[in-house]
Amino acid sequence: QVQLVESGGGVVQPGRSLRLSCAASGFSFSSYVMYWLRQAPGKGLEWVAFISSDGSNKYYADSVKGRFTNSRDNSNNTLYLQMDSLRVEDTALYFCARDGLIRGHAVIDVWGQGTLVAVS
Amino acid sequence: DIQMTQSPSSLSASVGDSVTITCRASQSITIHLNWYQQKPGKAPKLLIYAASNLQSGVPSRFSGRGSGTDFTLTISSLQPDDFATYFCLQSYSIRRTFGQGTKVEVK
Repeated sequence: QVQLVESGGGVVQPGRSLRLSCAASGFSFSSYVMYWLRQAPGKGLEWVAFISSDGSNKYYADSVKGRFTNSRDNSNNTLYLQMDSLRVEDTALYFCARDGLIRGHAVIDVWGQGTLVAVS
Repeated sequence: DIQMTQSPSSLSASVGDSVTITCRASQSITIHLNWYQQKPGKAPKLLIYAASNLQSGVPSRFSGRGSGTDFTLTISSLQPDDFATYFCLQSYSIRRTFGQGTKVEVK
């Protein structure tokens, strides 16, 4: 079935780096725009990064621009988020998500379960 | 970025009640508004897309309305499985933004 599975989260000190992965299965990964989203403890969801289907276009939230890098390996159906210069405020549950097309409408329709990043 | 203001932040209701949650966008997003349900430790589930379209497999007691800047999600006849957090998400902009969420609790 259609599935996204994140990994790579953990506890890290401020200023250090972490690389998240998101393994996709059950659909044609290379055809879809993908997002990274996050949810800090007790807070709402926040968009982090966007990557086009072929990886040529990338956009970042202002809060992570210059520190996080989004990439994908379409041959291995995997999405990545390289997080450098981590800050305490980056502590969150990180989700990868698929931007699908339902009856012509772009909508985030598949989410992973999330991977927890704690910067402390 | 487009700001999404969702209200209320929480509400208490009983099984069988009808509840309505509101999202307001800081600018027109036409009909590019989606609603999700989230339960603790689980991935969000898409309920409504493009303001008023019921996602496949979602019970018909869920409905969405609105366009432009003002949107509502209504759950008619609340069921035990519906106690959860609901949030809106605009897909008008690549820079997706979310409402803060509404926790629906048992009265």
